[in-house]
Amino acid sequence: DAKTTQPTSMDCAEGRAANLPCNHSTISGNEYVYWYRQIHSQGPQYIIHGLKNNETNEMASLIITEDRKSSTLILPHATLRDTAVYYCIALNNNAGNMLTFGGGTRLMVKP
Amino acid sequence: NAGVTQTPKFQVLKTGQSMTLQCAQDMNHEYMSWYRQDPGMGLRLIHYSVGAGITDQGEVPNGYNVSRSTTEDFPLRLLSAAPSQTSVYFCASSLPGRPNEQFFGPGTRLTVL
Repeated sequence: DAKTTQPTSMDCAEGRAANLPCNHSTISGNEYVYWYRQIHSQGPQYIIHGLKNNETNEMASLIITEDRKSSTLILPHATLRDTAVYYCIALNNNAGNMLTFGGGTRLMVKP
Repeated sequence: NAGVTQTPKFQVLKTGQSMTLQCAQDMNHEYMSWYRQDPGMGLRLIHYSVGAGITDQGEVPNGYNVSRSTTEDFPLRLLSAAPSQTSVYFCASSLPGRPNEQFFGPGTRLTVL
């Protein structure tokens, strides 16, 4: 699995967009970019994933650069409940993958 | 749907005791997994199952057993608890075509004294 690099922490004002970057410069052609988050004391929560096209769902948007070496998760209108650690993972689509969360980005949404 | 449920929420064991952590899901997911998360650390895969009757080892399987007799249930057994197994244990499930879109349970906080 490709290594991913994320900033340690970020702040965002409530109601504003939160843009969380992730670098995955060694990603291979069959690896997807997955985003999860973990709110304090809860289980991780799947957010979104993509291969090379931009993706959007009810939770977030995922923008992947054309060379696939980096991506950005966008929470369009952050709320206090979005305060969490966000993890970017590069994985192929096989069973038995380890969701090995690295350090992630601790997002603090402030009023 | 209740989603993924785990019991108990908290457990304290003495070294050498055995116990079973329960995990159930009502989403008809074929894939189920067990992870542990140590303080300030990421997840580590213990065991996983791609369907009833099929299990396989993850990254840290030693000291744990699993079985998958039904699609719904995937219990994790600690054979002889050790302080190094103090951790938060998460169970997760997913659909076969979406193995990495995992739904996680609320976790079991285990302390081994």
